[in-house]
Amino acid sequence: KAGVTQTPRYLIKTRGQQVTLSCSPISGHRSVSWYQQTPGQGLQFLFEYFSETQRNKGNFPGRFSGRQFSNSRSEMNVSTLELGDSALYLCASSSLQSPGLVSFNEQFFGPGTRLTVL
Amino acid sequence: TQLLEQSPQFLSIQEGENLTVYCNSSSVFSSLQWYRQEPGEGPVLLVTVVTGGEVKKLKRLTFQFGDARKDSSLHITAAQPGDTGLYLCAGNTGNQFYFGTGTSLTVIP
Repeated sequence: KAGVTQTPRYLIKTRGQQVTLSCSPISGHRSVSWYQQTPGQGLQFLFEYFSETQRNKGNFPGRFSGRQFSNSRSEMNVSTLELGDSALYLCASSSLQSPGLVSFNEQFFGPGTRLTVL
Repeated sequence: TQLLEQSPQFLSIQEGENLTVYCNSSSVFSSLQWYRQEPGEGPVLLVTVVTGGEVKKLKRLTFQFGDARKDSSLHITAAQPGDTGLYLCAGNTGNQFYFGTGTSLTVIP
């Protein structure tokens, strides 16, 4: 199976611009989550989509938004970029695993998009 | 908020030494994952532990899930420079994942 793919891998924007990042999950995975990772804050959860609906949301301002399409591909958008938005943005897809009596979710990450805001 | 605390935050050791990384929480998780991440790349899933007290081995890496499913440890035997990276634990409840603060490991040749 192909892994999670993210495009683009690198982006340079200036303050005030907006940006759209794309994520294609592992085939068959219906859940897609987005994270922001910075050296100071670590991995911060942005939101999660399942079957085109936002199911969970982290504590980020409304400038950060996302959506999911019927093929489970997802995009996230950041409007009015600020210097502090510079980060590695990670997408992860997950599926429910049921190897026996116990069921659990397992999450797989893409390579990330490195966003630099100047 | 369910927090996962990892310790130590930074670890620098010589090649061939052993080490243990801890992941602790006051919350119970249905499963726990360990990831390794290299600079500029996404985290790579190493293992998932599900059952309290479970021990899994992956070559020189040994993962243990606490009996109460609130904590976990990662032990590396005879560390090698290729083990260098950021190690993250993540607890899963339902459809949500909670990530640890990370342990940055450097193995010096």
